[in-house]
Amino acid sequence: NAGVTQTPKFQVLKTGQSMTLQCAQDMNHNSMYWYRQDPGMGLRLIYYSASEGTTDKGEVPNGYNVSRLNKREFSLRLESAAPSQTSVYFCASSEIHGSGNTEAFFGQGTRLTVV
Amino acid sequence: RKEVEQDPGPFNVPEGATVAFNCTYSNSASQSFFWYRQDCRKEPKLLMSVYSSGNEDGRFTAQLNRASQYISLLIRDSKLSDSATYLCVVERGSGTYKYIFGTGTRLKVLA
Repeated sequence: NAGVTQTPKFQVLKTGQSMTLQCAQDMNHNSMYWYRQDPGMGLRLIYYSASEGTTDKGEVPNGYNVSRLNKREFSLRLESAAPSQTSVYFCASSEIHGSGNTEAFFGQGTRLTVV
Repeated sequence: RKEVEQDPGPFNVPEGATVAFNCTYSNSASQSFFWYRQDCRKEPKLLMSVYSSGNEDGRFTAQLNRASQYISLLIRDSKLSDSATYLCVVERGSGTYKYIFGTGTRLKVLA
């Protein structure tokens, strides 16, 4: 049981290049998320998908696009990378428990540097 | 005002001490609250959910004060292994699936 798997773990891009960060979960969760984490800023929500077929913007969506390919996979695309997008990116998935509270499980992160 | 606010610390405490963190949130409609732990350069992991009546898990106690819109985390008998960053997480509203993280409070437990 792998949980949440992100690829790649590390990436260096040149300004203007594009790339897709991949995320897959094997816990049959409905909801998936992309966060970025910068020093002193905590985790900020980029996009999320409450269920298969839906996506919504989070706190910092500009410069990103997402695709909920199926229930397992949620990808994040940078169309034209900028140095301001240098960050650690975390994918997460969650499900609602009977108590109404959810627990989010995170991937190990992708460390992206844009030069 | 930030949606979820935490004191960034660091809190430096000796082993065996009791330490408490608070986290304030601005959206009065929020219903789901959590504390996550994050070790250096690792992914966040759930420490505990925070229930209305308060809850305890071993040395950790979480409480919710809806009137003042804050949640707290109390760690008793601190261990060296408790050194980490503790992240407060609040769902924006109810049933929105938007989980907003605080910037985290850094704890260092000293031998």
